[in-house]
Amino acid sequence: DADVTQTPRNRITKTGKRIMLECSQTKGHDRMYWYRQDPGLGLRLIYYSFDVKDINKGEISDGYSVSRQAQAKFSLSLESAIPNQTALYFCATQGGNQPQHFGDGTRLSIL
Amino acid sequence: GQQVMQIPQYQHVQEGEDFTTYCNSSTTLSNIQWYKQRPGGHPVFLIQLVKSGEVKKQKRLTFQFGEAKKNSSLHITATQTTDVGTYFCAGKVGDKLTFGTGTQLKVEL
Repeated sequence: DADVTQTPRNRITKTGKRIMLECSQTKGHDRMYWYRQDPGLGLRLIYYSFDVKDINKGEISDGYSVSRQAQAKFSLSLESAIPNQTALYFCATQGGNQPQHFGDGTRLSIL
Repeated sequence: GQQVMQIPQYQHVQEGEDFTTYCNSSTTLSNIQWYKQRPGGHPVFLIQLVKSGEVKKQKRLTFQFGEAKKNSSLHITATQTTDVGTYFCAGKVGDKLTFGTGTQLKVEL
């Protein structure tokens, strides 16, 4: 969905490095989400935000932080990356009670 | 916390065969949503079910929501190669949406 843009699309980095994944949207949605996808585990919620400056922990927030400084942007940071954070990361947006719209994902590998 | 399980995890079918994936929640849901993720793609919303016992159809796809609003199923009749992908259910409780573990469908000619 071109209305939800994730950068970078792919990233390979080393253990201990700080990484930021960006998500921007043109849909004007208030709600934004970060998920990680691992084989056999589905999509697991890391953090979510219902408005600017609103931050809520999901089921697997340890080792991650987020920032929502503007309605259109929601960034995810790994302060000190570790190999078990290797995964496919998705950002999603939602307007009101409508379905979620996903970005194309960021494939992150931590060596 | 809320858990949403899907079975099977994988399914290989011959083109033309039917396919069903089942979704079970540990808690009663206000609604259930289904998403499809094509290989290399991102999840895309298919449908939402709200009412107890609700059944909805989209061409060859039939979606059901259980009477107790804790389980759901997706049935595809006469699969085609275009049906390949991973199907996720997602159960909603309050403002929280919990995704199932997904069923990966492969269709062979």
